[in-house]
Amino acid sequence: DSGVTQTPKHLITATGQRVTLRCSPRSGDLSVYWYQQSLDQGLQFLIQYYNGEERAKGNILERFSAQQFPDLHSELNLSSLELGDSALYFCASSPTSSSRNVNEQYFGPGTRLTVT
Amino acid sequence: AQTVTQSQPEMSVQEAETVTLSCTYDTSESDYYLFWYKQPPSRQMILVIRQEAYKQQNATENRFSVNFQKAAKSFSLKISDSQLGDAAMYFCAYRPGGTSYGKLTFGQGTILTVHP
Repeated sequence: DSGVTQTPKHLITATGQRVTLRCSPRSGDLSVYWYQQSLDQGLQFLIQYYNGEERAKGNILERFSAQQFPDLHSELNLSSLELGDSALYFCASSPTSSSRNVNEQYFGPGTRLTVT
Repeated sequence: AQTVTQSQPEMSVQEAETVTLSCTYDTSESDYYLFWYKQPPSRQMILVIRQEAYKQQNATENRFSVNFQKAAKSFSLKISDSQLGDAAMYFCAYRPGGTSYGKLTFGQGTILTVHP
């Protein structure tokens, strides 16, 4: 168990709908990363937040957005869903800069999204 | 942009034998980190081992060790005394250094099968 939690584990929804994926980082971790794993694109970085602020953006679609709240949990919002958005969405967190393992990222169990 | 390449889509090994998974990467940075992650059928991403680019000594974690060749930009994973529980998809990943905000760039993955 990495200490990173994600809900829900599975999500089935229809095209055009909107969903919210939730992530709670490990205790004390300020950085949260979102990744998408799909068959055709592999594992891709979407976005990173650090202590409530957006720090880096990857291949994240305009239909997708994220935020990190004061309690450090993060949400990934996916809207106008398409069949191609079906994927496994991972959240990861990394320790603060004072930690020996600051460069490591610990992954949650993922949310499997199926768009029908 | 950094790229990570795993040229072996699939590998197999007999239980108790040794197997090496290959990874090459491309970067113009001198400060970075390399990782191997394991993804078993449960889909959980598990950190196996980490290597700092500034360290010449190869990292070792129990039965897992790496062969880091910085000049060749090669980072292979050796699994000794393979066990059935080692069967999984293995991902090589790159992370830039110099900041605690770096995303992970993943290779395409290698599926490892362990035969009893």
